[in-house]
Amino acid sequence: GAGVSQTPSNKVTEKGKYVELRCDPISGHTALYWYRQSLGQGPEFLIYFQGTGAADDSGLPNDRFFAVRPEGSVSTLKIQRTERGDSAVYLCASSPGTSGAYNEQFFGPGTRLTVL
Amino acid sequence: KQEVTQIPAALSVPEGENLVLNCSFTDSAIYNLQWFRQDPGKGLTSLLLIQSSQREQTSGRLNASLDKSSGRSTLYIAASQPGDSATYLCAVAGTALIFGKGTTLSVSS
Repeated sequence: GAGVSQTPSNKVTEKGKYVELRCDPISGHTALYWYRQSLGQGPEFLIYFQGTGAADDSGLPNDRFFAVRPEGSVSTLKIQRTERGDSAVYLCASSPGTSGAYNEQFFGPGTRLTVL
Repeated sequence: KQEVTQIPAALSVPEGENLVLNCSFTDSAIYNLQWFRQDPGKGLTSLLLIQSSQREQTSGRLNASLDKSSGRSTLYIAASQPGDSATYLCAVAGTALIFGKGTTLSVSS
């Protein structure tokens, strides 16, 4: 079946602009995660959804970052007033079942965000 | 706060060699541990998942072990091939995954 998909694959924007990054999880997966990966680093957790609700948003760096999952499937990560330091690869993962952390996470290919 | 460390940061070996990648974590209260592979410019491919109650998992030429009490995991790759060249990431699961920085492996033919 289809894996996790993310769009766009690449996004170049200017400092101060607003961006939206989209994640389509594996069908039927109730848990969805966003991570951010800077060059030479491992991915860092941003936010975790169980169904439509954000179960843990402790990784969001500041209030410029926001994510939604209104119907419990597709999720959008929104970044306001982008800064050069936001440049990174944004990864999305999904997982089956309600015990999100107990289950294997499947990752999408990521969106490479570049803020000029 | 959970911290994950991977040693070595980089490794170069000739084809056919057996090798071990190391992962250590500071908090033993984990649900599971996953090993991933990442090719340059690509996403993460899950290799092995070890639940906290398990000691090891095997898939083909890969074997991963977990010792929760000592906070360690190893990934053993047998008979390495040039196609194994990639970055290998270890991650431990609490609410979400906490990753190490990875080990970049280069296998020469």
